[in-house]
Amino acid sequence: DAEITQSPRHKIIETGRQVTLACHQTWNHNNMFWYRQDLGHGLRLIHYSYGVHDTNKGEVSDGYSVSRSNTEDLPLTLESAASSQTSVYFCASMRGGADNEQFFGPGTRLTVL
Amino acid sequence: DQQVKQNSPSLSVQEGRISILNCDYTNSMFDYFLWYKKYPAEGPTFLISISSIKDKNEDGRFTVFLNKSAKHLSLHIVPSQPGDSAVYFCAASYAGNNRKLIWGLGTSLAVNP
Repeated sequence: DAEITQSPRHKIIETGRQVTLACHQTWNHNNMFWYRQDLGHGLRLIHYSYGVHDTNKGEVSDGYSVSRSNTEDLPLTLESAASSQTSVYFCASMRGGADNEQFFGPGTRLTVL
Repeated sequence: DQQVKQNSPSLSVQEGRISILNCDYTNSMFDYFLWYKKYPAEGPTFLISISSIKDKNEDGRFTVFLNKSAKHLSLHIVPSQPGDSAVYFCAASYAGNNRKLIWGLGTSLAVNP
């Protein structure tokens, strides 16, 4: 069955370290998204991509970067992690066209100490 | 400025009764609305959607109503079951760019046995 996976599911890192969160989908969707979820803020869009080599900034992109070298993967990198980036991160993909349902991964809980 | 508002952070109902979750939006350019359900430690999952050309969409126990003049939509769950206890997110997309979703902050529903 097609699916979307995230790894790791949990991660603890020190302030200032670099970390990459993986997102992999097997639906062959062109559109992929990264969100963070924090109490009181709902889902906030970090970065998104509409296809290979396409990346765009969302509403909370500072301190994050993404790259899209193939259809299946959109890794999210925190170059120098800050405590404010402690959050739960969700990756999503969408086929697009007339169908704008987004399918979400299980999430990565990141703690920056 | 929150373009999609879920003004009730939480809601508690008795099993078997109706649950009504509300969502207001400010942008008249939104033309498609979705509801997602989220359990703890899982990613959001799509529940039901409605296009702005309709005023009602029904799927089993779930019905979404759209009042465009009031910029208001509601999700009705009848009858409510304990397994419906989750956080419900309302989301909207723009005409012409339906790939980005604008999210509400969510409403936590507790269905008591």
